[in-house]
Amino acid sequence: AQSVTQLGSHVSVSEGALVLLRCNYSSSVPPYLFWYVQYPNQGLQLLLKYTTGATLVKGINGFEAEFKKSETSFHLTKPSAHMSDAAEYFCAVSKDSWGKLQFGAGTQVVVTP
Amino acid sequence: GAVVSQHPSRVICKSGTSVKIECRSLDFQATTMFWYRQFPKKSLMLMATSNEGSKATYEQGVEKDKFLINHASLTLSTLTVTSAHPEDSSFYICSARDREGRVTGELFFGEGSRLTVL
Repeated sequence: AQSVTQLGSHVSVSEGALVLLRCNYSSSVPPYLFWYVQYPNQGLQLLLKYTTGATLVKGINGFEAEFKKSETSFHLTKPSAHMSDAAEYFCAVSKDSWGKLQFGAGTQVVVTP
Repeated sequence: GAVVSQHPSRVICKSGTSVKIECRSLDFQATTMFWYRQFPKKSLMLMATSNEGSKATYEQGVEKDKFLINHASLTLSTLTVTSAHPEDSSFYICSARDREGRVTGELFFGEGSRLTVL
C-alpha cells in the first residue's frame, strides 16, 4: 500500500520569496511521483513528474522537485513566488504507470504582495 | 498535452432526481478513465475506475447503485448520480491517460463538475 503526506495544509509566502511544499510518501516499490496544481473550480494540471532517471525534475512555471529515496520525499520548490502561484497543490504517488494515483491532502498556497 | 473535457461544469438538481456527468477524451482514446470526488478544501478521493466495454471497478465504500458509471466508447465515460441527495453535493473530476501517460503514469484531468443537490 502507498500513502502520501503533505506537511502543512496552508502555506503563505511573500511575492518573490521561496516556495517550499513538502511531500513524503510511503511505498513498497519505487514510486512514480507527481505534483499537480488546482485553481479554484478547475481540474488538476500537472506541474512535474518523476518516473526514473534524474532525481531533480523541472516542471512548468518555474517549479522543480527532487526525489530523495533515502528520505522518501519529493518536495516542490520555486525560487521566487508569483501572485499567479496562489492555488492548491497536490502531491501524488503511483506504484507504476498503470496504477491508481494516490493523492496527498493538498497544500493551499497564498501569495502576499 | 492531452485534453479531457467534462460536461456540465455546474449542475443544480432537486433531491431525488438523477444527474449525468460526461467525461470525454478529446484527442486520444482512453480505455480507462478514473472518477474522483472532491469535498470542499479536501483532497481527491478515487471513486471508481471506468473500463471501456466492461464494468467499472469501484473503490471500497462507494455505492455502485448510487454512482453508475458507463464507458461505452474509447472517448466517453459517464457518471450518473442516481436519486441524488444533498450529501451527494460535491466536485466530481474525471481523468484519463493517453498513450504516453500509460508509460509515465501521468493523468489528464477534466475541468470538474460541481453538483449541488437542493
